[in-house]
Amino acid sequence: DAKTTQPNSMESNEEEPVHLPCNHSTISGTDYIHWYRQLPSQGPEYVIHGLTSNVNNRMASLAIAEDRKSSTLILHRATLRDAAVYYCILRPYSGAGSYQLTFGKGTKLSVIP
Amino acid sequence: KAGVTQTPRYLIKTRGQQVTLSCSPISGHRSVSWYQQTPGQGLQFLFEYFSETQRNKGNFPGRFSGRQFSNSRSEMNVSTLELGDSALYLCASSPRIQETQYFGPGTRLLVL
Repeated sequence: DAKTTQPNSMESNEEEPVHLPCNHSTISGTDYIHWYRQLPSQGPEYVIHGLTSNVNNRMASLAIAEDRKSSTLILHRATLRDAAVYYCILRPYSGAGSYQLTFGKGTKLSVIP
Repeated sequence: KAGVTQTPRYLIKTRGQQVTLSCSPISGHRSVSWYQQTPGQGLQFLFEYFSETQRNKGNFPGRFSGRQFSNSRSEMNVSTLELGDSALYLCASSPRIQETQYFGPGTRLLVL
């Protein structure tokens, strides 16, 4: 499985934008980039995913580099409820087989009031 | 639409016992996957079911097993519990195998 590299931790002030980076230099052409987050004592929560183009939804934006070797999850205005571990995951999307999620260690985001 | 539900939420067992955990997927979702989360190993894939068939299995011993019913509900079973089986067990569902997975709150198992 292609691997991802994320910083162990990041801090952000409340109400400010947060840019969470992810490197995936061995990504293949059929890998989708998924982001999940896990709040304390909860299961992972789907945030966003994309293939080549930048994506927006009500939770966040995903900016994907032109060569697809890196991506950035953007939270436009961090709130205290955004404090969580954020996971960047590559998921294949071709042919038959399993599409299990392979979680790394993620980035622990702390939001300072 | 109701989310993924898991029962029980908390469980305490002793070594050597067996345990069965239950997962009800989001209505209309036919694929269910199970994951184990521990502080040391993080989130690890256990197995995946679709249409009552196991489609893939992670690198866990045979003590870990599962099944899926015709209504897409799933159970996982761990026999001969070991201390190291203490973990948060998470279930995720998706409409079909290739689609986005949505997680439940998990069952926290403590083995004494």
